[in-house]
Amino acid sequence: QQQVKQSPQSLIVQKGGISIINCAYENTAFDYFPWYQQFPGKGPALLIAIRPDVSEKKEGRFTISFNKSAKQFSLHIMDSQPGDSATYFCAASITGNTGKLIFGQGTTLQVKP
Amino acid sequence: GAVVSQHPSRVICKSGTSVKIECRSLDFQATTMFWYRQFPKQSLMLMATSNEGSKATYEQGVEKDKFLINHASLTLSTLTVTSAHPEDSSFYICSARGAGAATDTQYFGPGTRLTVL
Repeated sequence: QQQVKQSPQSLIVQKGGISIINCAYENTAFDYFPWYQQFPGKGPALLIAIRPDVSEKKEGRFTISFNKSAKQFSLHIMDSQPGDSATYFCAASITGNTGKLIFGQGTTLQVKP
Repeated sequence: GAVVSQHPSRVICKSGTSVKIECRSLDFQATTMFWYRQFPKQSLMLMATSNEGSKATYEQGVEKDKFLINHASLTLSTLTVTSAHPEDSSFYICSARGAGAATDTQYFGPGTRLTVL
């Protein structure tokens, strides 16, 4: 019940296209859902995060869509660029708890020029 | 803001030696710090959670006597890998969570690549 399932494992998108990565969770107590971007040999960097009180959050080319009833959330990268090629992790946690993030398995995105 | 540093960025050591990795929050006070381990092409595996001034909480399967964690101040946590062996070779990443409104947000350090020969 503590798992966060992420798909696809890898994704290839043409420059200018839309990259979509999906995550699903079981624990309805989760109320904080961040996305992290990680380049090879670097630590993860926070991209964008959402809470269940909104269904969508947009920051630049990055959008999180959240479906509370389906217990799913997704990251959309609009106008994907080669510089977006990285590994993306979704995560979930419970506010006020230990703060532990439960991470998805990761998606390796390759944006072809 | 919200910068976390790690030192060293990479370390190579001989089997049987101990290695200390430092994690610092540079511009905020970190009430909680986390230590992760990451193998190639895999997700982050939480090793332990540490709160300033108290003992770390280790995840199941993580040897607390092998991976010593100290969170002596609100800006510094250290991970010591004792008697390191080749199987301890990995990418170790810390994260920090601050106090205040954004307490859920974890900011990650750049990671430390440990190679044990």
